Amino acid sequence: QQQVKQSPQSLIVQKGGISIINCAYENTAFDYFPWYQQFPGKGPALLIAIRPDVSEKKEGRFTISFNKSAKQFSLHIMDSQPGDSATYFCAASRQGGKLIFGQGTELSVKP
Amino acid sequence: ETGVTQTPRHLVMGMTNKKSLKCEQHLGHNAMYWYKQSAKKPLELMFVYNFKEQTENNSVPSRFSPECPNSSHLFLHLHTLQPEDSALYLCASSRTGGAEAFFGQGTRLTVV
Repeated sequence: QQQVKQSPQSLIVQKGGISIINCAYENTAFDYFPWYQQFPGKGPALLIAIRPDVSEKKEGRFTISFNKSAKQFSLHIMDSQPGDSATYFCAASRQGGKLIFGQGTELSVKP
Repeated sequence: ETGVTQTPRHLVMGMTNKKSLKCEQHLGHNAMYWYKQSAKKPLELMFVYNFKEQTENNSVPSRFSPECPNSSHLFLHLHTLQPEDSALYLCASSRTGGAEAFFGQGTRLTVV
């Protein structure tokens, strides 16, 4: 019930391509779904987040798509750049409580 | 910088040593967290403090002892650790009831 499953574990994308990372959750009480970006030697930083009352949220090149019935959400990075190379974590929480993180995806964008 | 500062950034300790990790946040938050990040694993929540009171302990071994003297400071006291405790230890803070967590840069711990 508390798990968040993330895939793929690693992803290689060419510069300019679209990076897609998927997450699935089990607990229908989750009401906040953030994505965190982590560069080597740094802590995770909030990238973008969504609540289940909307199906999509876009901030610049980053978009979250949310499918409540399937209990899935995904991060799309459009026009991927080498500077986007990092580890991405999805997470979920309930009523402002603790975050439950996915396993992480190591993204590498090749020039 | 996120407003959450962790020291030291790197720590090497023997299995019989005692050391402490420190976290300080300047964001006015009332909730603070310790996470463990091991290679190829999700971030593991260890402890949660709300208004200086421990509200969650995720079955963490007693060789890890947290302390929260006030809402701005969080410590993790370490003693008789094992090599498998080597990991990146991350501190985070948030508003109580707020979902967005701000992380420090972590302490890279190596137990030899």
